[in-house]
Amino acid sequence: SQQGEEDPQALSIQEGENATMNCSYKTSINNLQWYRQNSGRGLVHLILIRSNEREKHSGRLRVTLDTSKKSSSLLITASRAADTASYFCATDTDRGSTLGRLYFGRGTQLTVWP
Amino acid sequence: EAQVTQNPRYLITVTGKKLTVTCSQNMNHEYMSWYRQDPGLGLRQIYYSMNVEVTDKGDVPEGYKVSRKEKRNFPLILESPSPNQTSLYFCASNPRANYHQPQHFGDGTRLSIL
Repeated sequence: SQQGEEDPQALSIQEGENATMNCSYKTSINNLQWYRQNSGRGLVHLILIRSNEREKHSGRLRVTLDTSKKSSSLLITASRAADTASYFCATDTDRGSTLGRLYFGRGTQLTVWP
Repeated sequence: EAQVTQNPRYLITVTGKKLTVTCSQNMNHEYMSWYRQDPGLGLRQIYYSMNVEVTDKGDVPEGYKVSRKEKRNFPLILESPSPNQTSLYFCASNPRANYHQPQHFGDGTRLSIL
């Protein structure tokens, strides 16, 4: 089953602009994670935000979490061509029988033009 | 260097010919899992393992087997591959099966079953 759903499916911007991607999920969570995937490569963990946190920063990345709306956003500021990749949100679940599992969305394909 | 290593990276084979995709991690992680990634469907978990000799089904386990005899290795076995198993496969690991662990991914194995 799929928990997270990213929006938009594709995003195209110029270098220097900000990129915002959204993720909605269905059930209560303990944390939400964002991953990046360069074409043909494995996923790389970017940031993890716990359910009791509302905002988290890491360099040019800013993640927000609204548990009441079951949604999260990933903001990349001052984007670069090297940020071109697919971005995925992943959620866990608060059901103990699935401890450790992650549920990924379909991803947002970000293209940053020089 | 801490990493998850998958082999082979690419494989083209025929229906019914048993194959094994190996996965090895050098981080002493307890938790390992296999995903498949298909266009429009995102990542779906096939099997996971919370520790040595402990494995469980993910969302799409049909047609696959796994084993976890040693902590570092988690091979994915396709006993009788079929064309619908053509996909991009990822192995991932994290230190322990709990709610707040980012996953480390291998670079992927692209399988084509003819």
